[in-house]
Amino acid sequence: DTGVSQNPRHKITKRGQNVTFRCDPISEHNRLYWYRQTLGQGPEFLTYFQNEAQLEKSRLLSDRFSAERPKGSFSTLEIQRTEQGDSAMYLCASSSWIDTQYFGPGTRLTVL
Amino acid sequence: SQQGEEDPQALSIQEGENATMNCSYKTSINNLQWYRQNSGRGLVHLILIRSNEREKHSGRLRVTLDTSKKSSSLLITASRAADTASYFCATESDSGSRLTFGEGTQLTVNP
Repeated sequence: DTGVSQNPRHKITKRGQNVTFRCDPISEHNRLYWYRQTLGQGPEFLTYFQNEAQLEKSRLLSDRFSAERPKGSFSTLEIQRTEQGDSAMYLCASSSWIDTQYFGPGTRLTVL
Repeated sequence: SQQGEEDPQALSIQEGENATMNCSYKTSINNLQWYRQNSGRGLVHLILIRSNEREKHSGRLRVTLDTSKKSSSLLITASRAADTASYFCATESDSGSRLTFGEGTQLTVNP
């Protein structure tokens, strides 16, 4: 399968714990995006990378959130000291220079 | 905040009928894209229309774009039960930048 993959698909954690999600983009894509989607809403942009450089961050990305893309390949999104309001689907997408963004299946986070 | 607004929020039709969904946006765009999402799953890209295009077709899908009215429509012809999903429009203001999504239209196609 050469699509965007995300792991884990589901994560249940207790409030205050740290969680990390991984995204593997389509191999030849140099841009990688993170979005968050809550129930009944459209996805909201969090951040994006061109190669290993993080070019834009949404104000939704509080200090508890950090994203990395070492070597311009896979990316990780970490949430520290999780809160119940962090419960959502976290979506990753990738694209080539000027093209469609292709989405992965998402990681569903539940914070108890 | 969401840029796009989809209309209607929910649409229920019979198999074989056509489904039309509308999207309005607020700022200038580079392109507009339509995505489909089955419940609890990721988004599947359907079609992209650039700001200098007015209409585009892909199989049973037809998309129009009116930049003067800042609106787009998605028409699905001869709908099938398998078309049941949420449909989102998303705008891209600059090439390769973020997508701004609407809240989506929930389409139900009854067999």
